[in-house]
Amino acid sequence: GAVVSQHPSWVICKSGTSVKIECRSLDFQATTMFWYRQFPKQSLMLMATSNEGSKATYEQGVEKDKFLINHASLTLSTLTVTSAHPEDSSFYICSARSPWQDQETQYFGPGTRLLVL
Amino acid sequence: GQNIDQPTEMTATEGAIVQINCTYQTSGFNGLFWYQQHAGEAPTFLSYNVLDGLEEKGRFSSFLSRSKGYSYLLLKELQMKDSASYLCAVMDSNYQLIWGAGTKLIIKP
Repeated sequence: GAVVSQHPSWVICKSGTSVKIECRSLDFQATTMFWYRQFPKQSLMLMATSNEGSKATYEQGVEKDKFLINHASLTLSTLTVTSAHPEDSSFYICSARSPWQDQETQYFGPGTRLLVL
Repeated sequence: GQNIDQPTEMTATEGAIVQINCTYQTSGFNGLFWYQQHAGEAPTFLSYNVLDGLEEKGRFSSFLSRSKGYSYLLLKELQMKDSASYLCAVMDSNYQLIWGAGTKLIIKP
């Protein structure tokens, strides 16, 4: 149980385009989802926390107009990287948490690798 | 299918040594990661192994045997602040991360 999926796994796009990444909890309802980005061999950096039905809370330094997060249902959150640039190339990982599972545990998705040319 | 196995919970005493094991079956292998996660916080990177052997980094060491699909994280001179969850993750042939469920480590005085 407690499986989180992400789509797509890989995306390559041209500079200036927008990319949407989906994060789904497949067998549980996630009231809270987290979006992280990770550079090689570094820790995951939390970008934002989203609660279903409300606006996401962004970490300091993360542009909310550039990284649009929507958590419209208890099983789906999306991250849209708008007007992507090469420096946005990274590994984006989501995680989900549910009060009906273990309150503290985050279940991580497999990640989405974004390459902006 | 792909899976990562690690114990759900372990208990150890302050000052002691503890070894957290991780076994994996994945389609391809591009490295194994260990992360530490304190409750309510983002995971922090501890180690990355892609070649067999032991990597030592202060009080923490990580070992990998690719032929056995096995890794362990060794924590020495345990401190109360080491109480956390320890996540094992393997990067498969598609460069996707396959996550273990995490091992909750409880340190007792």
